[in-house]
Amino acid sequence: DAGVIQSPRHEVTEMGQEVTLRCKPISGHDYLFWYRQTMMRGLELLIYFNNNVPIDDSGMPEDRFSAKMPNASFSTLKIQPSEPRDSAVYFCASSLAKTGELFFGEGSRLTVL
Amino acid sequence: TQLLEQSPQFLSIQEGENLTVYCNSSSVFSSLQWYRQEPGEGPVLLVTVVTGGEVKKLKRLTFQFGDARKDSSLHITAAQPGDTGLYLCAGEGNAGGTSYGKLTFGQGTILTVHP
Repeated sequence: DAGVIQSPRHEVTEMGQEVTLRCKPISGHDYLFWYRQTMMRGLELLIYFNNNVPIDDSGMPEDRFSAKMPNASFSTLKIQPSEPRDSAVYFCASSLAKTGELFFGEGSRLTVL
Repeated sequence: TQLLEQSPQFLSIQEGENLTVYCNSSSVFSSLQWYRQEPGEGPVLLVTVVTGGEVKKLKRLTFQFGDARKDSSLHITAAQPGDTGLYLCAGEGNAGGTSYGKLTFGQGTILTVHP
């Protein structure tokens, strides 16, 4: 079975540019999570969806970040405009239950110059 | 927000040694999960503990949930190079708290096992 699929795996961009990260969750999973991982702050929850509906976006750093889930098999995390402090690995994860086992993708490593 | 503190942050040992990683909080958790993450990959669930005092074993790994459900430990016996990775604990907020129904991750412990 295919796991959570994220793209791109690596992105290098310049400050001010728009960045779009993509995620395909595991089929049948009702919950989708976006996390950000850095050495300084560890793994932080940005936002999560249940049945494609955003439930809690309190972890989104600021208005430059937005996330959508137009259908059960696709989600995007957008940063516009990007800043160097956004550099991190962004993970998408899906699960059958809100606090059940999380299945993570391989992550998207973002570097903003 | 319920915080989870992991210790140590870094652990470098020789193959065959035993080690323990701790995950502590001042808050009570409904359940606690342990994940392992290898470089370039996402975390993978190792175990979930839900009952205070619970002990779970996974081959050479032993997980314990504190009686008060505020802390947990991971003990590895006879560590092997393949155990190298980042170990993360994640707690589910207890009912009545602001973090209820959410998973909060600790900062992680980076384990390196040398051959």
